[in-house]
This record gives sequence, C-alpha cells and structure tokens, in this order.
Amino acid sequence: NAGVTQTPKFQVLKTGQSMTLQCAQDMNHEYMSWYRQDPGMGLRLIHYSVGAGITDQGEVPNGYNVSRSTTEDFPLRLLSAAPSQTSVYFCASSPGVLAGSEETQYFGPGTRLLVL
Amino acid sequence: GQQVMQIPQYQHVQEGEDFTTYCNSSTTLSNIQWYKQRPGGHPVFLIQLVKSGEVKKQKRLTFQFGEAKKNSSLHITATQTTDVGTYFCAGGFGNEKLTFGTGTRLTIIP
Repeated sequence: NAGVTQTPKFQVLKTGQSMTLQCAQDMNHEYMSWYRQDPGMGLRLIHYSVGAGITDQGEVPNGYNVSRSTTEDFPLRLLSAAPSQTSVYFCASSPGVLAGSEETQYFGPGTRLLVL
Repeated sequence: GQQVMQIPQYQHVQEGEDFTTYCNSSTTLSNIQWYKQRPGGHPVFLIQLVKSGEVKKQKRLTFQFGEAKKNSSLHITATQTTDVGTYFCAGGFGNEKLTFGTGTRLTIIP
C-alpha cells in the first residue's frame, strides 16, 4: 500500500513550457485534490475531484487543467508555465471531506516546481 | 468568501511550555480538520471536529471546536522537540472543498 505518490519530486521549467504533474493513490479513494503551497499562504486548492469523470475548480484554478479518467490517477497539467506558478504542489486523497465520520485526507510527498 | 484566519503566524516556545494556535471563520463551518507539517515534509492529518463545542484529545494535544462552529483551537501541553512544525487548520463549509488557514509555525527552544 503506497498511499499517495507524486512524480516528479523536482522540476525546473522555462516560461511557456507545459508539463504534467502525476498523482496516484492505491486506497480506492473517491476524493482527490491538488493544492499549491506558497510561503505565508498556507495551502490553496487548485482543482478537486469527487470521483472518476468528475472534476471541479478550487480557489486558484487558472493556468491548470485536470482530468480523472480512473479512480487511481489525478494528473495536474500546467498549460503554459509562468514564474507565478513556482510553488510546491501537493496531491491529496480521501474517502471524502464533508462532515461525518473521521475522513483522513492523505497527502503525497509533493512536487517542487521552479519556473524561470 | 470562505476564508479561515489562523493566528499566530509564528510561535517560539521553550521546551516544556504550552502552545496554542487559533482558527477563525466569519461564517459557520460544517467541520474543521487539523494537520501538522514537519519542515520539508507534507501535511499529515491529525483530527477532524464536527460537533458544536466538541473537544478531542490526543495525548498532549487538545482540539476544540467553538459553540458557534466559527472557531477552533489546538493546544499542546508541555511541548517537546518532536512537536516542531507548522500546524494548519482546514475548514469545511458544507461543499466538497476545504479552506486551509495560513498555518502556525512552532519552533522549540531546547
């Protein structure tokens, strides 16, 4: 049981390049999400998915696309990288985030992205 | 908007002293979660609170959810060096999104 995995760990891009951050989970969780973490700003939700084939926007979706073709995978695509997208990106998965029983949200190890 | 304010931003304590971080929302929360992130690491889920006035304990950690479900706190008794890290709250507003506070970075002076 690997939990939530993310690749790559580090990436340097030039402005205008595109790339895909990979995220996978093996816990059969329906809910998956992407956050970016910047100093002093906590974690901000980019996109999320409540199940295969369903995605929605979070707080800061501009410049990012997602898809959810399977329960396991939730890739994040940067369409045309900008220096403002320099950040640490975390993927997370959970059975759900609504109030109810204890629903632990598991985070991946993160991808550190530098856009020059 | 759905914002969660967290204070203080930084806290330096002597080992053995207590520590508290606070989260506030201007609108009622449906639930609140707490996370710990060690330096260079990823957030790790600690607990979720759902009920008005709820208090939960995990060893030296005490979590509270306010009666109005607009505020929450995390209190650590007799801090240890292993408590170093940033503590985040994350509020739910009844939709499928969590809004994170900006975090409180705890450093321990041995």
